[in-house]
Amino acid sequence: DTAVSQTPKYLVTQMGNDKSIKCEQNLGHDTMYWYKQDSKKFLKIMFSYNNKELIINETVPNRFSPKSPDKAHLNLHINSLELGDSAVYFCASSQEGLAGGPGQETQYFGPGTRLLVL
Amino acid sequence: AQKITQTQPGMFVQEKEAVTLDCTYDTSDPSYGLFWYKQPSSGEMIFLIYQGSYDQQNATEGRYSLNFQKARKSANLVISASQLGDSAMYFCAMRGLLLYNQGGKLIFGQGTELSVKP
Repeated sequence: DTAVSQTPKYLVTQMGNDKSIKCEQNLGHDTMYWYKQDSKKFLKIMFSYNNKELIINETVPNRFSPKSPDKAHLNLHINSLELGDSAVYFCASSQEGLAGGPGQETQYFGPGTRLLVL
Repeated sequence: AQKITQTQPGMFVQEKEAVTLDCTYDTSDPSYGLFWYKQPSSGEMIFLIYQGSYDQQNATEGRYSLNFQKARKSANLVISASQLGDSAMYFCAMRGLLLYNQGGKLIFGQGTELSVKP
């Protein structure tokens, strides 16, 4: 069973279009994240949600709007796509606030969505 | 602010030999976690190993071990008995251990591309 899944895996679209990426986790985690990996492989946080509440919005343009309908899902909608949005977008999840134990709050990543804006 | 530095953009190792991937970090948080992820050419992010700042012993997971030197702020990954399947990009990352401390975001290094030679 896939722990963190994303759809679609590949997304090719024209500049100016609106697109969505969906993420689901079946780990029972309460926190989910979106990361962006650029063409130089650098990974940076975009958003994090805890129990459907937005915790981080890391100076991302407001064309990007995350939505968390429940703890297991975190979707990313992008309006008016630009060439510079081309990247790999990763969803991740973690369980926060665990008491003790090694590896707590480890983030597990989805397979990534490769977005190409033409 | 938190920062992760990986100074080796690329490394080569002979199959069956051990290799050390360097990682140094900077943080003012009293409590933090250090992580290593592997990204093969297929693109997924695979969690390898975790070290808590409060852990007295170095973490080990199979062929992976983390050489944690807190005073030097280093968290090097050691891979023993390298295999061809270890060829991948490796990322060091850190985060504060409280969700409401910077939202649990992972800060990543630039990555090290490891190539294992037969």
